[in-house]
Amino acid sequence: DSGVTQTPKHLITATGQRVTLRCSPRSGDLSVYWYQQSLDQGLQFLIQYYNGEERAKGNILERFSAQQFPDLHSELNLSSLELGDSALYFCASSVMGLPYNEQFFGPGTRLTVL
Amino acid sequence: AQTVTQSQPEMSVQEAETVTLSCTYDTSESDYYLFWYKQPPSRQMILVIRQEAYKQQNATENRFSVNFQKAAKSFSLKISDSQLGDAAMYFCAYRSPNAGGTSYGKLTFGQGTILTVHP
Repeated sequence: DSGVTQTPKHLITATGQRVTLRCSPRSGDLSVYWYQQSLDQGLQFLIQYYNGEERAKGNILERFSAQQFPDLHSELNLSSLELGDSALYFCASSVMGLPYNEQFFGPGTRLTVL
Repeated sequence: AQTVTQSQPEMSVQEAETVTLSCTYDTSESDYYLFWYKQPPSRQMILVIRQEAYKQQNATENRFSVNFQKAAKSFSLKISDSQLGDAAMYFCAYRSPNAGGTSYGKLTFGQGTILTVHP
C-alpha cells in the first residue's frame, strides 16, 4: 500500500459522458501527478500539481481538466468521453514535486467507455 | 523531448536464474534520473530501483541491480535469483532534473517488458 488512494476503482460509462476521478495523496505530500495507461499509448504523463497550483502539463486533452484542492486531494475531470479514453488512470504523489522526490502511485482507476 | 525505448516486449526466466531487461533512452540533458518500475497483475506501480545520472556507481537493491552506460544511453535491469513474485510488467522511466517547462516533474516511460518466471 503506497498510501495514495484513488476512487472509484472501476468506472463504466457511455460515450459523451463526463466523469470525475479522485485522488488523495500520501500524508505530507504536496505534489500530485496524473498518468494515463492505455494499450495504444502506453503510460503517459497528463498533468502535475504542487500545493494547489499547476506545475507541468503533458499530453492532456482539452476535454480533460484537473485541479488540486486546499486539502491537497486532486480530481481529474474527463468530459465528452470517447471510446479511446478507456484506460487505467493513475495518480501519484511526492513530497515536494522535485525531480529527485520519489513518486508513489495509487492503485489506479479503470475507466471503461462503452 | 526525451524518449525511452524497451526493445523486449516479453522475456522469460527460470526460477532462481538471472535475467536482464534492456532499456535505452534519448536525451540531450547531461543530468537526469532513471527508474525501473514493476507493475504486477494487481496493476500497482512499484518503484524497483533508481539511478542518478551523475553517479558513476550502478545502483543495487537486494536482487536487483542496474547496468548504467551513460555514453551509450543504456540502462538495463538485472534480476538475480528470480522468484515467482518477480513476474510482472517492468517499465523503464526517465525524469528530467530541470525545473520549469513542460518536462518538469514528469516520468517518461518505455513501452514495458512483460517478465514471466517459470517454476
